[in-house]
Amino acid sequence: QQPVQSPQAVILREGEDAVINCSSSKALYSVHWYRQKHGEAPVFLMILLKGGEQKGHEKISASIKKKKQQSSLYLTASQLSYSGTYFCGTEGAGGGADGLTFGKGTHLIIQP
Amino acid sequence: DGGITQSPKYLFRKEGQNVTLSCEQNLNHDAMYWYRQDPGQGLRLIYYSQIVNDFQKGDIAEGYSVSREKKESFPLTVTSAQKNPTAFYLCASSINLLGLNTEAFFGQGTRLTVV
Repeated sequence: QQPVQSPQAVILREGEDAVINCSSSKALYSVHWYRQKHGEAPVFLMILLKGGEQKGHEKISASIKKKKQQSSLYLTASQLSYSGTYFCGTEGAGGGADGLTFGKGTHLIIQP
Repeated sequence: DGGITQSPKYLFRKEGQNVTLSCEQNLNHDAMYWYRQDPGQGLRLIYYSQIVNDFQKGDIAEGYSVSREKKESFPLTVTSAQKNPTAFYLCASSINLLGLNTEAFFGQGTRLTVV
C-alpha cells in the first residue's frame, strides 16, 4: 500500500519553513525522501532508518516517529531551489525484499 | 562518470505494438527497478531485480515484461496487453536490495506515448 503524504501541495515564501508528512499503514524498516523537478529524475535527499539514524546529502532534516509508521521532512529557511515534488518511499519491516513503495508526492512551490 | 542511462527520452508507438525501454547502469549496483509515474499517482513499482537472471513483479506488473541477462542492463517491454501504457517510466538502481538502506539512483526517464 502506498504511504500517504500530506499536504498534497504547499506554497511558501522564500525563507519560510515547511513540513511534509508521510504516513504508512505498516511498520517501517526505513523511509526515503526524494525531490523531483518537473520532467527530471527524482533526486535522493535522505534515508531514515528505524533506529532513528539518518543518512542524507543536504541540510534538510527529518524524523521518524516512535510508532515507526510516520515520518516528517523539515525544510527550514526554504530557498527557491527547494521547489519541486517531494516523495517519501517506504520499506517494510521485513527489509528491502520488495523494493520501495512511494507516496503520491507533495508539491512544494517557493515564491520570491 | 557513473550513472544510470535510459533511452530514448521520448518514445511514440502505435496502439497494439510492443515497445522496449532501455536502462543501463555502470554503478556496479546489484538491484534495479522500473517505476511508472502518472500525474497525481506518484511512482508505482512495475518490476525489480536483485541479481542477474532473477526478477520479481511489483505492484503493477500486468502488461509488462523484463529481463536481467547482465548486471548492467534491465530492459522493460511494454506489451500490447498493457491497457494504458502512456506514462513516464523511470528506471532506478541501488547497491543492493536486501537490507535496503542505501539510496536509489534514478535515470532521466522515458516518456512513452501510445497513439
